[in-house]
This record gives sequence, C-alpha cells and structure tokens, in this order.
Amino acid sequence: GENVEQHPSTLSVQEGDSAVIKCTYSDSASNYFPWYKQELGKRPQLIIDIRSNVGEKKDQRIAVTLNKTAKHFSLHITETQPEDSAVYFCAASNHDMRFGAGTRLTVKP
Amino acid sequence: DAMVIQNPRYQVTQFGKPVTLSCSQTLNHNVMYWYQQKSSQAPKLLFHYYDKDFNNEADTPDNFQSRRPNTSFCFLDIRSPGLGDAAMYLCATSRDRTGREKLFFGSGTQLSVL
Repeated sequence: GENVEQHPSTLSVQEGDSAVIKCTYSDSASNYFPWYKQELGKRPQLIIDIRSNVGEKKDQRIAVTLNKTAKHFSLHITETQPEDSAVYFCAASNHDMRFGAGTRLTVKP
Repeated sequence: DAMVIQNPRYQVTQFGKPVTLSCSQTLNHNVMYWYQQKSSQAPKLLFHYYDKDFNNEADTPDNFQSRRPNTSFCFLDIRSPGLGDAAMYLCATSRDRTGREKLFFGSGTQLSVL
C-alpha cells in the first residue's frame, strides 16, 4: 500500500519568511495529492491540491509542486503570517487517501 | 453550513464499555470514512463504506466496527474500548472513490477512556 513520508516534523519561521514542507510517496499509481491544514482541536481543512497531470499549482501565498518521476511533492508558503501556524498534512491518493505524519509550523511575529 | 456532522464532540467512556460515535452528511456523497487520529500523529484510516460496501483496513482491530444504515449516516462502534483507543475520531466523506476526490472532514469526536 501507499506510504507517505513528510519532513520536517516541526518548522519555525519568522513572520514574512517562506516555509517549505516536503513529502515523498511510494505508490506510483497515486494521482491526487492534497494538503490539509489542521489547527488545534479542529478538523483538517483542505488548503490546496494537485493532480498527477500537473507539475505546479499556486493559490495566492500557497503553492504546491509535484515531481512524479521522483515521487515527491512540496508545499510552499510565502510571506508567512502568525495565522499560518498549524499542523500541515500532506496526503497521496490512488483509491484511499494516506496521510503523512504532519508538520507543526510555527510562525513567530 | 456544516456538511459533515459528528456527535458528540467529546465522549468519555469507561474501559471495556461499548461506545458508539456518529456521523452524518448532507453532501449525498457515496463514500464515508472513519479515521483515528492520536495526538501529534497523522489520521489513520480505519475503514470506509463505498455506498453499502464495507472495506476494512487490514490492521484495524476487530474491536472496531462500523454501520451505515443509509447514505447520510455512519456509525463507529468500539466494542470494548481500551486505554489505547483514546483518540480523535474523524469522519470524512468523498463524492466517489476514484482517488482524485477531496475529503470533507467532520469536526471529530474526542474520545477519552477512563
């Protein structure tokens, strides 16, 4: 089955800096790669997703890149703000969605 | 508007006492999932229903069961909760199971086992 690895497990940045979170996956058949943001005690919320026929997708300060050959994808957040502080999960899906272990992002004002 | 609703928000049960968590959806999605999330860990898929077809993950303990009486509702039954079953339980839905559908999560039920 699919195995998703995510790095780093914790990330601390200064407000205004960029943050990058990286994930690798094992199942070459996976074709959908969402990113979820989870604030403390709340449900995971989809923030951006990318499909296997696309190499990059951007939505305002958030971008995701996908390298299918290397089986890795990354989340990029630019101009970080304190409200970006949360746990971020990557996921890979063929039929069932498998999550990475999460990255706790802290943005210091 | 809430689209995936989980009740209760917090559930306390005793060691070995059966407990049921509920989930309902207004999206008319075909697939409903149950995930277990322990503190600082990724959500772990327990099982899912594709319409009426039940699909259990290989490593889901027999202690965990599920029912889906109709499209809108899905239940998670823990027959004999142990201390290790204390976790957040997340219900999620997707329109289909193509693998390219995003998940819609409920707010979760935080289960404590005393």
